[in-house]
Amino acid sequence: ETGVTQSPTHLIKTRGQQVTLRCSSQSGHNTVSWYQQALGQGPQFIFQYYREEENGRGNFPPRFSGLQFPNYSSELNVNALELDDSALYLCASTKTSGSRDTQYFGPGTRLTVL
Amino acid sequence: GENVEQHPSTLSVQEGDSAVIKCTYSDSASNYFPWYKQELGKGPQLIIDIRSNVGEKKDQRIAVTLNKTAKHFSLHITETQPEDSAVYFCAAYAPNEKLTFGTGTRLTIIP
Repeated sequence: ETGVTQSPTHLIKTRGQQVTLRCSSQSGHNTVSWYQQALGQGPQFIFQYYREEENGRGNFPPRFSGLQFPNYSSELNVNALELDDSALYLCASTKTSGSRDTQYFGPGTRLTVL
Repeated sequence: GENVEQHPSTLSVQEGDSAVIKCTYSDSASNYFPWYKQELGKGPQLIIDIRSNVGEKKDQRIAVTLNKTAKHFSLHITETQPEDSAVYFCAAYAPNEKLTFGTGTRLTIIP
């Protein structure tokens, strides 16, 4: 077990709607990253948060946004859902040991957009 | 940005045989190379990683090798077992950049 949990496990939305996905990481893991994994593909980096501030962003439009909270939980919000947003959304928290960072993934939320 | 290529996309081996998955990366600044195993319906699980200051690392039946000059790294699984069947992803990380994943290898262990 990685200690990273995500909710919900599955979600079905329709095009144009908004969705919020949630992640809870381990105590002391100050960095959280979100990834989108389309079927049959590797995870694609969406963005990363460090101490509640966005700290890096991949090639995703502004309708993908996030929040990180002091209790090591975080959210991914997606507005104006499109069919191509259907994917597994993964949250990963980072454990820092000295100068070394290691990412641990949650089980993911499967989002289906109809 | 970083580009990671992974081969093969599918691999079938007899139980007890060895499996090798290879990845190449493009950014010479990359210094951390994790391997993840993803089972159906689950998130990726870190199984082994290697930093750029070493050339090889082993953990029981799993080993990873890194050739910085050629910018490639490989995962070796020996004495394969049915529970090794999964999708395996390599990834590369450069300081102040993001973790970039390969496209995955679906490994099937034939009993």
